[in-house]
Amino acid sequence: SAVISQKPSRDICQRGTSLTIQCQVDSQVTMMFWYRQQPGQSLTLIATANQGSEATYESGFVIDKFPISRPNLTFSTLTVSNMSPEDSSIYLCSVEEQTDTQYFGPGTRLTVL
Amino acid sequence: GENVEQHPSTLSVQEGDSAVIKCTYSDSASNYFPWYKQELGKGPQLIIDIRSNVGEKKDQRIAVTLNKTAKHFSLHITETQPEDSAVYFCAPSRAANAGKSTFGDGTTLTVKP
Repeated sequence: SAVISQKPSRDICQRGTSLTIQCQVDSQVTMMFWYRQQPGQSLTLIATANQGSEATYESGFVIDKFPISRPNLTFSTLTVSNMSPEDSSIYLCSVEEQTDTQYFGPGTRLTVL
Repeated sequence: GENVEQHPSTLSVQEGDSAVIKCTYSDSASNYFPWYKQELGKGPQLIIDIRSNVGEKKDQRIAVTLNKTAKHFSLHITETQPEDSAVYFCAPSRAANAGKSTFGDGTTLTVKP
């Protein structure tokens, strides 16, 4: 099974600033995703991180707010731009293996003041 | 898109009792049915999954049953232990699309010693 790490594990940021979250996988994977989990809520898919091309965003999420990079098959970053308190959430990356099994990273807990 | 409902939203049981969580979905083309466990401060972890060609799957104290006709599947935990206390999510999807699945709202299970 894939092992996923995320950096940072948590951060407290000021409104108007940006934070870049890193996701590293211990093996090459084709499918990589970014989710948001607001406090006490379920997971909502932000986008699919595509290697070598632009990310595919879900309804309600835009590239200007959540730019994503995927330079290779083991690494991706998600930036939360121009943050507001409403962006306070847990951000999770996940990978999907060919068996449909999905593995999640430990998450990045973001608090925006 | 897929409409997913999970019941109950909270469940409290005595240690040693059984717990059952039900997930109802709307997309009749869904054929992959996983359950995830999320402990406090961690990312969701796959605990069991089932595919549409199987009615039931068991792994020690955990089982999943599927009723494709009625479009629901359930998580069964027997002989519950305090370490089973967590939030459980279902996330039905079509094959090769598990990363884009819609998550249920989650069930908070508390096992009282």
